[in-house]
Amino acid sequence: DAGVIQSPRHEVTEMGQEVTLRCKPISGHDYLFWYRQTMMRGLELLIYFNNNVPIDDSGMPEDRFSAKMPNASFSTLKIQPSEPRDSAVYFCASSLGRYIQYFGAGTRLSVL
Amino acid sequence: AQKVTQAQTEISVVEKEDVTLDCVYETRDTTYYLFWYKQPPSGELVFLIRRNSFDEQNEISGRYSWNFQKSTSSFNFTITASQVVDSAVYFCACNTDKLIFGTGTRLQVFP
Repeated sequence: DAGVIQSPRHEVTEMGQEVTLRCKPISGHDYLFWYRQTMMRGLELLIYFNNNVPIDDSGMPEDRFSAKMPNASFSTLKIQPSEPRDSAVYFCASSLGRYIQYFGAGTRLSVL
Repeated sequence: AQKVTQAQTEISVVEKEDVTLDCVYETRDTTYYLFWYKQPPSGELVFLIRRNSFDEQNEISGRYSWNFQKSTSSFNFTITASQVVDSAVYFCACNTDKLIFGTGTRLQVFP
């Protein structure tokens, strides 16, 4: 079985550009999570969905960040406009119920 | 609010040594889950173990073992006879309504 698939693995963009990160959860999982990992703040939850519905977006840093889950097999995290302080590794994770979260390989974002 | 503390920022050992990674958690909930994840140099997060708050049995999986003690709010992880491939950052996490991670312990195993 394929795990959580994230794309792209690396993204380099310039300040002010729109960035879209993509995630395909494990088939059959009903929860999807977006995390951000930085040296300063560690791993922090940004938003999570249950059955494609956003449940808690209190971790989204500001209005420049948005996330969607149009169907059970796809989610996006968008940053518009991007800023250098958004540089981080973004992880997507999925789970069946609120139990074990399985993580994707992450997207390393660099905003110049 | 939940909090997970991993006081050891970095540990270095020589191969075949045993090493214990400490984890202390705080939560007001009586039902919660504790986790360990491994982040190797390649960057992905790999699930290692989950324990629920009602199961204080220690667990062993090969060279890995976990010691859960509610009395001290600790969930420590021991690697026996460490190997170079164990070099990674290890995260402890606690889940009630959200999965809260500790800051991680970087383990370096030298040959």
